[in-house]
Amino acid sequence: DTEVTQTPKHLVMGMTNKKSLKCEQHMGHRAMYWYKQKAKKPPELMFVYSYEKLSINESVPSRFSPECPNSSLLNLHLHALQPEDSALYLCASSQDQGAPRGFRYGYTFGSGTRLTVV
Amino acid sequence: DAKTTQPNSMESNEEEPVHLPCNHSTISGTDYIHWYRQLPSQGPEYVIHGLTSNVNNRMASLAIAEDRKSSTLILHRATLRDAAVYYCILRPYGGATNKLIFGTGTLLAVQP
Repeated sequence: DTEVTQTPKHLVMGMTNKKSLKCEQHMGHRAMYWYKQKAKKPPELMFVYSYEKLSINESVPSRFSPECPNSSLLNLHLHALQPEDSALYLCASSQDQGAPRGFRYGYTFGSGTRLTVV
Repeated sequence: DAKTTQPNSMESNEEEPVHLPCNHSTISGTDYIHWYRQLPSQGPEYVIHGLTSNVNNRMASLAIAEDRKSSTLILHRATLRDAAVYYCILRPYGGATNKLIFGTGTLLAVQP
């Protein structure tokens, strides 16, 4: 299995809703990432997990709450979002964030969850 | 993070080679040069990476200037499926700050 699977593919939520995005990989990768991508813009890094621990938070608002329950799963919990949070949310994984062996490999991205906040 | 400069857009004809340039004049000795591409409605896809020597794989070739201040991604025979945004990214080696930061990329259009 060489894929990163994201669910759901599309999500519409109200500003008072709570929802979660899910990401799964079975490649044995120990680093996982959340990116946000607005239309016609490059992906922006949000969070990095390394060995199930949060290692980088790029000053993301607290209404986005990441969780890594195990080495194969990454969740992004959403609460009280704003319409400007509507975007494509991408999950990625890599062998290892920093070790020399892992560095030879690229990131594998999922196809994303298209989120619309109404 | 060291920055890269790429043309906003390029055009190519099908079955012709494509050379996508990237300038990175502030590259440091521990920065690897990575290329990713993003097809419409998909997540980015790893293409190739290198440090100093030219690299080849089944998707593309990466030519790195001797001073490492620029590089070129080479698609040997463009197909319609190669139409995508191509990102050239410098990824510093090692440590907790090792992260993939995307620039604006080059939108490649392939004409039949």
